[in-house]
Amino acid sequence: GQQVMQIPQYQHVQEGEDFTTYCNSSTTLSNIQWYKQRPGGHPVFLIQLVKSGEVKKQKRLTFQFGEAKKNSSLHITATQTTDVGTYFCASPNSGGSNYKLTFGKGTLLTVNP
Amino acid sequence: DTGVSQNPRHKITKRGQNVTFRCDPISEHNRLYWYRQTLGQGPEFLTYFQNEAQLEKSRLLSDRFSAERPKGSFSTLEIQRTEQGDSAMYLCASSLEWATEAFFGQGTRLTVV
Repeated sequence: GQQVMQIPQYQHVQEGEDFTTYCNSSTTLSNIQWYKQRPGGHPVFLIQLVKSGEVKKQKRLTFQFGEAKKNSSLHITATQTTDVGTYFCASPNSGGSNYKLTFGKGTLLTVNP
Repeated sequence: DTGVSQNPRHKITKRGQNVTFRCDPISEHNRLYWYRQTLGQGPEFLTYFQNEAQLEKSRLLSDRFSAERPKGSFSTLEIQRTEQGDSAMYLCASSLEWATEAFFGQGTRLTVV
């Protein structure tokens, strides 16, 4: 079945440094979604990318979808302690379904104040 | 609070006992999902309802697991004869039929001792 591979597994940064997590698939993705899960919390939807080469920004967060729709990235500029958490990419399974999400293993971001 | 609500938040049970979890989705959402998350992993899809119809079950869902959504509103997930390997966070999510992003509840953390 479809898998999404996410790297790195962990990232520790000093407050103010940038952070990037990458998501890769061997198959073309219909769309890619990003979720954030705070420690002890539940996944919270951040954004969805649908179009090839799409770039979306949310304040200090920049999301990209690759031209081949097989990879995606999330970049945070000037991290803050509030950015701490695990960032997951997720994509609906192939076959046109848009409900069954396959999640990556996530990247745990810790920020040293 | 109009988000997805799950009860109980925590459940400790002895091996072999049955447990039941409840999920109340966002009221206008007709899609409801159950996911399971273990430490260091992303959520894994278990089952999906559209209104009261259970349209898909993952192979992860053994015969000991059963889910219902009797009136197309709240849902229950029952695990019979629990095993230690069932220990995990059980997450419920809901969405509108035409939307792809999922709104997660805070989860029920199950510990089987």
